[in-house]
Amino acid sequence: EIVLTQSPGTLSLSPGERATLSCRASQSVNSIYLAWYQQKPGQAPRLLIYGASSRATGIPDRFSGSGSGTDFTLTISRLEPEDFAVYYCQQYGSSPRTFGPGTKVDIK
Amino acid sequence: EVQLVESGGGLVQPGGSLRLSCTASGFTFNSYAMSWVRQAPGKGLEWVSVISAGSGSIYYADSVKGRFTISRDNSKNTMYLQMNSLRVEDTAEYYCAKVRVGATVWDAFDIWGQGTIVTVYS
Repeated sequence: EIVLTQSPGTLSLSPGERATLSCRASQSVNSIYLAWYQQKPGQAPRLLIYGASSRATGIPDRFSGSGSGTDFTLTISRLEPEDFAVYYCQQYGSSPRTFGPGTKVDIK
Repeated sequence: EVQLVESGGGLVQPGGSLRLSCTASGFTFNSYAMSWVRQAPGKGLEWVSVISAGSGSIYYADSVKGRFTISRDNSKNTMYLQMNSLRVEDTAEYYCAKVRVGATVWDAFDIWGQGTIVTVYS
């Protein structure tokens, strides 16, 4: 099973700042099988990034993904008020598909 | 509008059974793999199971293997999760999700339902 570790656990930032979230895998993940999701309280997750760097439909370009092998990054270039949420990475190239524990981005 | 609606959650005692349903609309259901993902109260996401468009490929998380069965009825645009031998640790909100690209189970989940809550209490 591929274990995903996300850091930091919580990121406290102000609107307009840049957020950098990390996802590290216990073994190499083909980048085409790495996704990022956003979840707000009381809501279902929303797909942001698939294939490590491709934005899903309707996702603003302030969200970007990068990385390969075991190290992946989600960057939010300028935080908007609606971006404060929990972010999960997921690998879907092997079974079981696994999610990271999440990074909470909250308002400083 | 593309939509997924879950139903069938509820309260059950350990060892009991429940069947969850996920009804789809707004897309060609029989062309897409579908999945179940759960989230225990205050916890992160846990993938449960996935089924291909034609039901030929099915995978389960180890935590539910042998107890849960995923299935689908393409004539009814509905996916199911039969949950038997339920445990307290199965308590969670259960989401159904659509795979982004239809032909493969190996893709991200681009559409999610709003979830149905399963509580297993002793």
